[in-house]
Amino acid sequence: EAQVTQNPRYLITVTGKKLTVTCSQNMNHEYMSWYRQDPGLGLRQIYYSMNVEVTDKGDVPEGYKVSRKEKRNFPLILESPSPNQTSLYFCASSFLIPAGLAGGPSYEQYFGPGTRLTVT
Amino acid sequence: GQNIDQPTEMTATEGAIVQINCTYQTSGFNGLFWYQQHAGEAPTFLSYNVLDGLEEKGRFSSFLSRSKGYSYLLLKELQMKDSASYLCAVTNDYKLSFGAGTTVTVRA
Repeated sequence: EAQVTQNPRYLITVTGKKLTVTCSQNMNHEYMSWYRQDPGLGLRQIYYSMNVEVTDKGDVPEGYKVSRKEKRNFPLILESPSPNQTSLYFCASSFLIPAGLAGGPSYEQYFGPGTRLTVT
Repeated sequence: GQNIDQPTEMTATEGAIVQINCTYQTSGFNGLFWYQQHAGEAPTFLSYNVLDGLEEKGRFSSFLSRSKGYSYLLLKELQMKDSASYLCAVTNDYKLSFGAGTTVTVRA
């Protein structure tokens, strides 16, 4: 079954304790991305990756790190979590349209089930 | 910067038609997505417009005017299961920016 998986689904942690949220896809997608969703603000892109070893900042990258060592995995790292990072996090993946053809993520972006993170 | 506006809430009756507008002012534009998100779930893809005009997919249609920075999502023959949030998103190069979403409530 084609899917994007995230772990953990729920996490409560304390300020300053490093954590990693994993994301994995089995569709051989080039493009992967992390978003956070907060009430009234909608989805905001944190980081995205166009392929292995190619990552770039989205609109709200502060306090987050990512890596893309393998095509299928795109973990989100919070080195020193703070309460303002309490949020619902989604990972997503898609094929990538070449830059010369209205480049960007293809229309079929698949989202993972979400990770609800609480930082106290 | 990116500025994507859509109404916060809309209410409609089962069987009716609802139009959700989205206006955008962005530093660049490649295409515009519409996603549906039920409470507590992940967003799911509805449509992607790159060129001006109307695209129809069953009960859902999406329209784009790039010169006006405007799109709408039209939901016809509303069903109770259409109660959800509808998210407008603009892609620019490889970034994706979302509006805050429109919550649609369908009443019997």
